[in-house]
Order: sequence, then structure tokens, then C-alpha cells
Amino acid sequence: DAGVIQSPRHEVTEMGQEVTLRCKPISGHDYLFWYRQTMMRGLELLIYFNNNVPIDDSGMPEDRFSAKMPNASFSTLKIQPSEPRDSAVYFCASSLGATNEKLFFGSGTQLSVL
Amino acid sequence: GENVEQHPSTLSVQEGDSAVIKCTYSDSASNYFPWYKQELGKRPQLIIDIRSNVGEKKDQRIAVTLNKTAKHFSLHITETQPEDSAVYFCAAREGSYIPTFGRGTSLIVHP
Repeated sequence: DAGVIQSPRHEVTEMGQEVTLRCKPISGHDYLFWYRQTMMRGLELLIYFNNNVPIDDSGMPEDRFSAKMPNASFSTLKIQPSEPRDSAVYFCASSLGATNEKLFFGSGTQLSVL
Repeated sequence: GENVEQHPSTLSVQEGDSAVIKCTYSDSASNYFPWYKQELGKRPQLIIDIRSNVGEKKDQRIAVTLNKTAKHFSLHITETQPEDSAVYFCAAREGSYIPTFGRGTSLIVHP
């Protein structure tokens, strides 16, 4: 397995533009997580899914953020409109859950909003 | 919910010295405590974990200790090497599958 795959690796956009981040979890993993990493706040959990269903989105900072998981092998995190303070590294992670709590992280997307 | 405090935020040591990173947690129901290492520009990766029924766990030069009464756990790295330089995150899981992470410790090992 290639691990958790995220795209793009880097995204530079202008304030007000829509940004879509993509994630492919490890096949067979039931849980998918979206994290945001900044120097100020460290690793923040934004939202997580279990079997494609959003379970807890209390970490999503604002209505400008939305996440979907249309099937077991794909998830998106969308920011619309983007703002400079959204600049961060966004990680997707997956895990087997129930019997194996180990998180497998993707390579992350470095987002810069100018 | 769970709250995890991690100290120090930055730790600088000489190669060969030991390094200790400490974390405290708030929820006595937490039963799983993983540690992740993130090298510069890379993804976080699990390096060691411990469950609440164990007081200490070792894996070569790294060890983790857990004090359930005091609700704190620590990562110990002996004989540090430059490749140990990274950001280390502790986490605590309170019975769900969602770990709460500490803010991270930047470990710098000087050759």
C-alpha cells in the first residue's frame, strides 16, 4: 500500500479563492481525519469520519470550511473563500480504529493564502 | 474533553546526552498514549505508544513511562543522535478513537 495520499503537496492561492484539498486513505481503514498544523496551535483536529460518515466536525473553524467523504477511498477538505489566516499545513490521516489506534498520516498539503 | 499539556516546547541537547519530554493529561479515563515524531518537512509518524495497564515501555534508545495517578507520561531518549532532531508530539486517548495531541516539542541535537 502506498500509504495515505494527499494532493496537492503545495497550494498557493489568493485570498477569496476556493481551495480543495484531497486525500486517499489506506485501503481498509475505517477512520479518516483532517488536521491543521500551525506553529501557534500545533496539530488541530478539524473533522473525522468513520465509514465515510462525519462524526465530529467541532474543530472546523468556520463555515468557510467543509469536508466530504463520498466513498471509502476519497475525501476532500474545501475552504471557500480562503483567507491568509488559513495558511497552514493540512494533514489527512487514517486508521483502522477499533483494534488499532495508530494514525497513518499523509505527506500534508502546505497551503499559502496570499 | 481531554486536555494534553506538553513541555518543554523546545529542547536542545548535545549528541550523546539524554532527552526527556513530559506530558500531562486531564481525563483519568484516558487509556492510550502514543508518541509521534515529525522530522522537518515530513509527516508525523508513530514511534512508540503505551497503554494504561503498563507503567513503562522501551524500544532500543527510546522509552515511555506512565504515571496514571499523577496523570503524566514522558518520553525518554538516551544517547541522542543528530537524526533524533525533530518535533515530538504526545497524545492521549480518552476511550474514543480520537487522540488529543500536545503542542509538540522541538528537539535539537547538536553534533
